Amino acid sequence: EAQVTQNPRYLITVTGKKLTVTCSQNMNHEYMSWYRQDPGLGLRQIYYSMNVEVTDKGDVPEGYKVSRKEKRNFPLILESPSPNQTSLYFCASSLTPPSGVGPYGYTFGSGTRLTVV
Amino acid sequence: GENVEQHPSTLSVQEGDSAVIKCTYSDSASNYFPWYKQELGKGPQLIIDIRSNVGEKKDQRIAVTLNKTAKHFSLHITETQPEDSAVYFCAAASVGSNMLTFGGGTRLMVKP
Repeated sequence: EAQVTQNPRYLITVTGKKLTVTCSQNMNHEYMSWYRQDPGLGLRQIYYSMNVEVTDKGDVPEGYKVSRKEKRNFPLILESPSPNQTSLYFCASSLTPPSGVGPYGYTFGSGTRLTVV
Repeated sequence: GENVEQHPSTLSVQEGDSAVIKCTYSDSASNYFPWYKQELGKGPQLIIDIRSNVGEKKDQRIAVTLNKTAKHFSLHITETQPEDSAVYFCAAASVGSNMLTFGGGTRLMVKP
């Protein structure tokens, strides 16, 4: 089944304790992205990746890191989480970037609900 | 960068009625406008999209209209059913950009 898999689904952690949220897709998509979802603010893009070793900042990159060493994986790293990073996080992938030619609908993962206390 | 505003934030309709959700965008270079539906506990799912060379697109009970001059686009759902209850997001992407910017979301509730 074509899908984007995020882990974990739920995570409660303490301020300052480094964590990684994993994301993996099995569709051979080149474009991957991380969003956070907060009430009233919709989905805001954190980072995206055009391909292996090619990443760039989205609208809200502060406090986050990403890496793209393999095409299928795009982990989100919080080096020193803070309470304002409590949110619902989504990883998404697509065959081409949103403004590109061809099929470009995102496939989203099921989300990771992160609480930082 | 692009800014997308979405209204209303909540919408309650009776089963069988129509629902309309409206979005405005700021970047006149935007040329791709998708709509996503998010059911409880799931990630958003693409339901329909439109490009700027098209004014309207329909898929069964859902349709999207685009007014490039006014920089707004709308989602229309006819004959609503309880299973249409969800959060709906509009989004916009600009030519040459690799980012998809989302609106704030609309919680649609269809009452049986």
